[in-house]
Amino acid sequence: QQQVKQSPQSLIVQKGGISIINCAYENTAFDYFPWYQQFPGKGPALLIAIRPDVSEKKEGRFTISFNKSAKQFSLHIMDSQPGDSATYFCAASTNTGNQFYFGTGTSLTVIP
Amino acid sequence: DAGVTQSPTHLIKTRGQHVTLRCSPISGHKSVSWYQQVLGQGPQFIFQYYEKEERGRGNFPDRFSARQFPNYSSELNVNALLLGDSALYLCASSLVPNNEQFFGPGTRLTVL
Repeated sequence: QQQVKQSPQSLIVQKGGISIINCAYENTAFDYFPWYQQFPGKGPALLIAIRPDVSEKKEGRFTISFNKSAKQFSLHIMDSQPGDSATYFCAASTNTGNQFYFGTGTSLTVIP
Repeated sequence: DAGVTQSPTHLIKTRGQHVTLRCSPISGHKSVSWYQQVLGQGPQFIFQYYEKEERGRGNFPDRFSARQFPNYSSELNVNALLLGDSALYLCASSLVPNNEQFFGPGTRLTVL
């Protein structure tokens, strides 16, 4: 059973556009929600993370929106650039922190 | 500062063999987690170690084992390799469990 459901599977955006990736979860014990960026042949790199006590967190061009009641969170990439082309994973963990549950990934392609 | 390092980078084994993968966490990090990432999927949790004790185990067979050393480095061992064990094996470190996890570049294991 997939603990974190991610969509879309793939996304194509024009340079300068907004990329939006969505994730949903069921376990209300989750209290930490990171997003990772992964390039081919590399390990995932932490991009931005949020805890449920805030509804939005922004770091540069990257913003996480969090809806606790809907149990959903999303990543927004503003002014998308070709260098943003990568696979993005959302994840979630509980306060016991034994493991991170990852989504299935979104392959983002930004067209110049 | 050095990030998480893993060795070897690539490994080719045949079915039935045994493999040992190694991980050195970021200096000061005491928690190490191992993940398996099959091509096209998100990382799947295998183990978490903290202060040399196993803190969590994912849904993997007993052929998978791990340990953490006094210097907080870690080894992942897989016995009786199967074709399905072919994957990217990722190590992640954090200061303590339920904290930001930083991933290494991974070890690409191919089982023939």
